[in-house]
Amino acid sequence: DADVTQTPRNRITKTGKRIMLECSQTKGHDRMYWYRQDPGLGLRLIYYSFDVKDINKGEISDGYSVSRQAQAKFSLSLESAIPNQTALYFCATRGTSGSSYNEQFFGPGTRLTVL
Amino acid sequence: ELKVEQNPLFLSMQEGKNYTIYCNYSTTSDRLYWYRQDPGKSLESLFVLLSNGAVKQEGRLMASLDTKARLSTLHITAAVHDLSATYFCAVDRNAGNMLTFGGGTRLMVKP
Repeated sequence: DADVTQTPRNRITKTGKRIMLECSQTKGHDRMYWYRQDPGLGLRLIYYSFDVKDINKGEISDGYSVSRQAQAKFSLSLESAIPNQTALYFCATRGTSGSSYNEQFFGPGTRLTVL
Repeated sequence: ELKVEQNPLFLSMQEGKNYTIYCNYSTTSDRLYWYRQDPGKSLESLFVLLSNGAVKQEGRLMASLDTKARLSTLHITAAVHDLSATYFCAVDRNAGNMLTFGGGTRLMVKP
């Protein structure tokens, strides 16, 4: 089983709809991240969380919100989706000790299309 | 504002050839990461470079970091088709928590 899973993997929605993307991990990592990827721009950080009570904005948080329901779960919400939020969304995790401290591990991604 | 630039953005090369991908960044950092992404797939960690002068090698890929020049390189030796992918560098801004990614280098290795 994958260590970092994302649901759904693909989603098509309409402008103005609320949508939630979910991320779960079995790595036991405290730190979790949400990124979006647009063609030619690499990945950009939306939000990150150090634990269930510590959530921080990244560089492009406007239009998004997050919820850290448990150590293993981190959800990203679009309250009112707009077409320019069409992108590939990645969740990532990072540990706080050992070799996992120095790198982020990425989930498989969610392809979101807003019509 | 930290900016990370990769070049080239696209690279087409023949099998057996050598080439280097460059990653320049605009502000001080001593952590840099290289990732590989296959089409439609997630990011796979290749190298984590944690100090000035760090050099790491895995198979036909070798990465280095010069923090004074704010430059990292990913060198490809004797390329093979299986190396075809998009390669990203990412620079850390906050102890590994805020990564700024370059735009990626799409590598195509032709037989």
